[in-house]
Amino acid sequence: NAGVTQTPKFQVLKTGQSMTLQCAQDMNHNSMYWYRQDPGMGLRLIYYSASEGTTDKGEVPNGYNVSRLNKREFSLRLESAAPSQTSVYFCASSLYPPGRREKLFFGSGTQLSVL
Amino acid sequence: EDKVVQSPLSLVVHEGDTVTLNCSYEVTNFRSLLWYKQEKKAPTFLFMLTSSGIEKKSGRLSSILDKKELSSILNITATQTGDSAIYLCAVGAGGSYIPTFGRGTSLIVHP
Repeated sequence: NAGVTQTPKFQVLKTGQSMTLQCAQDMNHNSMYWYRQDPGMGLRLIYYSASEGTTDKGEVPNGYNVSRLNKREFSLRLESAAPSQTSVYFCASSLYPPGRREKLFFGSGTQLSVL
Repeated sequence: EDKVVQSPLSLVVHEGDTVTLNCSYEVTNFRSLLWYKQEKKAPTFLFMLTSSGIEKKSGRLSSILDKKELSSILNITATQTGDSAIYLCAVGAGGSYIPTFGRGTSLIVHP
């Protein structure tokens, strides 16, 4: 019953440090997504991977990179963290690629603070 | 640019009240509208509405899609403290159909 698992749950970085947020799903889903959620801003798409081997930019990709390591795992990397990247990050997955009216399954989030 | 607007942004009610949450959208090539409930952590799926399925109901929650007005409402009757959460509306549209989320409505239900 794991679903979508994100690690770590909390992280504090100093400006300029790098880190990778990990995400794994065990539902054999094809598509995976990274969103960020800021107070009063809803969820904004950073990157997505419609299928293994492909990645595409979302609404707010600047300052981030992603890797679809295999069908299960989709990581998000901050190369040089900035205070503006303080946010809660959610990973999500769906069985079919975008366009199939698929609901998303979300992980429990990573709360990131950049000082 | 696709746009999803939710109202009100916040709402405080007492147990037993009925609430109506609104979601309006301006998008190209509408595909679907989804409602999620977010308590402390991950958003959880409530309903999906499409051109072929404009009304959904589950217990005390129900939702309707108004294709003419480009909007949807989420109704919660006989509210309980467990209904306290942020309710997110998302619309799948455009070329990629990846859901665009609204800012959410924060609902607080007092005993």
